[in-house]
Amino acid sequence: DTAVSQTPKYLVTQMGNDKSIKCEQNLGHDTMYWYKQDSKKFLKIMFSYNNKELIINETVPNRFSPKSPDKAHLNLHINSLELGDSAVYFCASSTPSGRAGTDTQYFGPGTRLTVL
Amino acid sequence: AQSVTQLDSQVPVFEEAPVELRCNYSSSVSVYLFWYVQYPNQGLQLLLKYLSGSTLVKGINGFEAEFNKSQTSFHLRKPSVHISDTAEYFCAVSELTSGTYKYIFGTGTRLKVLA
Repeated sequence: DTAVSQTPKYLVTQMGNDKSIKCEQNLGHDTMYWYKQDSKKFLKIMFSYNNKELIINETVPNRFSPKSPDKAHLNLHINSLELGDSAVYFCASSTPSGRAGTDTQYFGPGTRLTVL
Repeated sequence: AQSVTQLDSQVPVFEEAPVELRCNYSSSVSVYLFWYVQYPNQGLQLLLKYLSGSTLVKGINGFEAEFNKSQTSFHLRKPSVHISDTAEYFCAVSELTSGTYKYIFGTGTRLKVLA
């Protein structure tokens, strides 16, 4: 009964390939996120969706394309992978807690992407 | 834009000793502050958050944090740590940008509890 799950857990691939990471949450939350955590543990938001609608799109290369088929799923597709894309990618979800900006986010276990 | 500073990248401490992990944020009109913990090979989970009201916030696993507006700090404390507290700790602030809130995280502090 995992709350936020991601697949795969590890992903090793060659430069130039295209890959996808999948995320699912069974918490009934409206909002989902993708974060990138680099080798120095710095965590930065990439995208956020609310009820399948994109609401946050940070300055991320357009090789990264999120897709939300329904509000329980948020997938991340990456084209033409580069060495600098190597990182841990975290999916998270949240639901409005009554006051904007105060939501608790629930994180998945992460996907460690290694680009060779 | 908001920023969050965690000055200590690593904090070693002996088991059963007290610990304080420091967090400072850039000032803003209203601030929502969070501490998250990341155990090895896991995602982040919320320890506690400050929204308003009492400046001393109690969280899970015996942790607490104190919001200090004048010093723009939100330091995390635990009076007696356990080996199982070894983890990465992240301070975050919720920032309003273009009508939407998003988290801004600090760079994390690795707490290493020694036997």
